[in-house]
Amino acid sequence: DAGVTQSPTHLIKTRGQQVTLRCSPISGHKSVSWYQQVLGQGPQFIFQYYEKEERGRGNFPDRFSARQFPNYSSELNVNALLLGDSALYLCASSSDGTGFRTIYFGEGSWLTVV
Amino acid sequence: AQSVTQLGSHVSVSEGALVLLRCNYSSSVPPYLFWYVQYPNQGLQLLLKYTSAATLVKGINGFEAEFKKSETSFHLTKPSAHMSDAAEYFCAVSDLGANTGNQFYFGTGTSLTVIP
Repeated sequence: DAGVTQSPTHLIKTRGQQVTLRCSPISGHKSVSWYQQVLGQGPQFIFQYYEKEERGRGNFPDRFSARQFPNYSSELNVNALLLGDSALYLCASSSDGTGFRTIYFGEGSWLTVV
Repeated sequence: AQSVTQLGSHVSVSEGALVLLRCNYSSSVPPYLFWYVQYPNQGLQLLLKYTSAATLVKGINGFEAEFKKSETSFHLTKPSAHMSDAAEYFCAVSDLGANTGNQFYFGTGTSLTVIP
């Protein structure tokens, strides 16, 4: 079975631009979470979606937004990119979105802002 | 609020030696704890998890961790290091609060180097 898949794997954007990252969860998983991992640090929680509704939001500015589709895939959008947004963006899925379930990560999308 | 602290950002061991990576947690409720491994330029892979069933948890690749409530610790060990164990290791705790979804809180990571 396929794991969590993310696209694109690498991308370079200019300051002020907008970016959309995509994620497909493990088959049967209904919850998707997004994490930002800056070089040398642990992942930081951005959003969680379950059954197309936002279940949690981390301490990130409103430039960050996300949504989940009926097929449980998800997009993360970041507007007005800053140099500090350069990071590995990780998508994770779990079966029911509660804290009792393990989250499984994709390979991530490397975003470089220049 | 939940949090984890990983002691030692870099650990070096000789091949065949004991691996010990330290993690202490802070949680207002009995925690669910996890160890993930990240190889260069890859995502995070689950090593093992503690969900209150047993204090000694065995994971993949010969790793295990022991939950010690009295010490609020969940240290990761492996009896004999292999070159392929060189990677970044992250301890994490999940948020079990009502209506808070499944936000995970990660430590800052420990980079393991294995010396031949």
